[in-house]
Amino acid sequence: RKEVEQDPGPFNVPEGATVAFNCTYSNSASQSFFWYRQDCRKEPKLLMSVYSSGNEDGRFTAQLNRASQYISLLIRDSKLSDSATYLCVVNQRGSTLGRLYFGRGTQLTVWP
Amino acid sequence: NAGVTQTPKFQVLKTGQSMTLQCAQDMNHNSMYWYRQDPGMGLRLIYYSASEGTTDKGEVPNGYNVSRLNKREFSLRLESAAPSQTSVYFCASSAHGTGGQETQYFGPGTRLLVL
Repeated sequence: RKEVEQDPGPFNVPEGATVAFNCTYSNSASQSFFWYRQDCRKEPKLLMSVYSSGNEDGRFTAQLNRASQYISLLIRDSKLSDSATYLCVVNQRGSTLGRLYFGRGTQLTVWP
Repeated sequence: NAGVTQTPKFQVLKTGQSMTLQCAQDMNHNSMYWYRQDPGMGLRLIYYSASEGTTDKGEVPNGYNVSRLNKREFSLRLESAAPSQTSVYFCASSAHGTGGQETQYFGPGTRLLVL
């Protein structure tokens, strides 16, 4: 079983739509959680960290449910520029290094 | 700051050839990483270096070697390239590598095709 599993997508939504991505992780000792964004043929970049109490950054809201080992990302009022692949990323507790495990990514296309 | 830089951007090799992928960061980060990304597989860790002078295997180290030349530079070597090593290779760095809410910064990637 993979460490991190994501909705396979792709998601195709119109501008202005709200879209949600889900992710589950297998190791209950996982400590830190992130969403990275990767544009086509580019490198991954941090979108936002995910905190236990949930957190928001503009149109983006991330939620964490430790009991269910589940992470979500909600994008409100989608923009064309939100089109990208979104990677769910988990760091495991006890690692002496910030070693990250990446999901396969969920592709989002926002159309006009 | 250039951040994380990688060379070359593209490379075509024949089976059995060798090459070294170069990576450098100018953020004074302690930890550096090499990943490969294949369609449908996500990013997988090949090797990492927690600090200058140390290297360790990641998830998929077979067929690769690394050198942490100094704090800035971390190279990845393919001694005898195989078609299965066709992939996009990303180098990344982070400040301390101690876990927690620490961001990894990625280079632009090297696209490698092994024929």
